[in-house]
Amino acid sequence: RKEVEQDPGPFNVPEGATVAFNCTYSNSASQSFFWYRQDCRKEPKLLMSVYSSGNEDGRFTAQLNRASQYISLLIRDSKLSDSATYLCVVNLGNTGGFKTIFGAGTRLFVKA
Amino acid sequence: GAGVSQSPSNKVTEKGKDVELRCDPISGHTALYWYRQRLGQGLEFLIYFQGNSAPDKSGLPSDRFSAERTGESVSTLTIQRTQQEDSAVYLCASSLTLRDTHEQYFGPGTRLTVT
Repeated sequence: RKEVEQDPGPFNVPEGATVAFNCTYSNSASQSFFWYRQDCRKEPKLLMSVYSSGNEDGRFTAQLNRASQYISLLIRDSKLSDSATYLCVVNLGNTGGFKTIFGAGTRLFVKA
Repeated sequence: GAGVSQSPSNKVTEKGKDVELRCDPISGHTALYWYRQRLGQGLEFLIYFQGNSAPDKSGLPSDRFSAERTGESVSTLTIQRTQQEDSAVYLCASSLTLRDTHEQYFGPGTRLTVT
């Protein structure tokens, strides 16, 4: 089992749609969580951190469920510019050595 | 300010040759990371440096891979006797410290093609 698993997609949605991605992680010692965005042939960039209480940034909402060990990202009112690969990232923190694990990503295509 | 820079942006080399990839982190960032991303795949952690501490080399795929960092500045990733399976984009990232909550800023990557 991979340490961080994501549905690779692709998700094909029309503009204005709401789309949600899930990510599961296997290590219960995971301490911090992020969503990164990676455009085609570009480097990853931080989209948002994921807090235990859930957090929202404009059209984006991230949630964490520690009991079930999954993270979600919800995108409302999708824009063409949201087309990208969304990477789930889990940090094990400094316990026994720092370790950052990137999921393989979920591809999103938003169409006009 | 300037972001993370990497050079070269593209490198084509023959199988068996050695290559050296360079990363300049954001000034003031003490933590530096190297990742590998094969076509259509996720990021694979290779190594990280934090300040003057010994690097965590646990992700290096073989002894053909090595990396160095001078203080808290430039890092080089060296691949000896390159193989075709080494073809990938090599991404460098830096963060303020090694704290798990700190954002990693990525460079544009070096696209390595081994022929």
